[in-house]
Amino acid sequence: SQQGEEDPQALSIQEGENATMNCSYKTSINNLQWYRQNSGRGLVHLILIRSNEREKHSGRLRVTLDTSKKSSSLLITASRAADTASYFCATDYQKVTFGTGTKLQVIP
Amino acid sequence: GAGVSQSPSNKVTEKGKDVELRCDPISGHTALYWYRQSLGQGLEFLIYFQGNSAPDKSGLPSDRFSAERTGGSVSTLTIQRTQQEDSAVYLCASSVRGGGFYGYTFGSGTRLTVV
Repeated sequence: SQQGEEDPQALSIQEGENATMNCSYKTSINNLQWYRQNSGRGLVHLILIRSNEREKHSGRLRVTLDTSKKSSSLLITASRAADTASYFCATDYQKVTFGTGTKLQVIP
Repeated sequence: GAGVSQSPSNKVTEKGKDVELRCDPISGHTALYWYRQSLGQGLEFLIYFQGNSAPDKSGLPSDRFSAERTGGSVSTLTIQRTQQEDSAVYLCASSVRGGGFYGYTFGSGTRLTVV
């Protein structure tokens, strides 16, 4: 079963705008990870946030984690057409399980 | 190698035949996962290997599915008597020390089509 649920399922924005994706999960975690997938093949690891962290930045990416609400958000600032992809959260406890993903389309 | 290598990249097989999918993880990575992804869906956990520990097989959908990891390196996922519902992309991922620091590196997957 899927541990995480992302919302929205799909998001379409103009280039330059910010994109926010949310992930909710059900159990305890050691860390939460975000991945990007292009064209339905291999996933690329973007960022990892540990359970004792609340916010993390990497370039144009900002991730927040609220363990009391069992939720995380991924913000992509100043989006580019190349950001068009599916984005997945993954929770790591006894094993890594993935959410259902958000399909992001950035329109040039 | 520099990344996780999966072979074949595409496989078309007839219903009822057996298939073997191979994953070569990054050298030194002790953790290895197999996932399955149907078209437009999320990743379904299949099996997890960590070092010399007994694998977590809790995600294998039926006894037609099995996986092994020889010498802590290469892994093979075997599907016996394939069915049309087995059609999906099978993804392998590996990491050093369980991925709790650096996340996982994925292969490009094997697209399995059962006809």
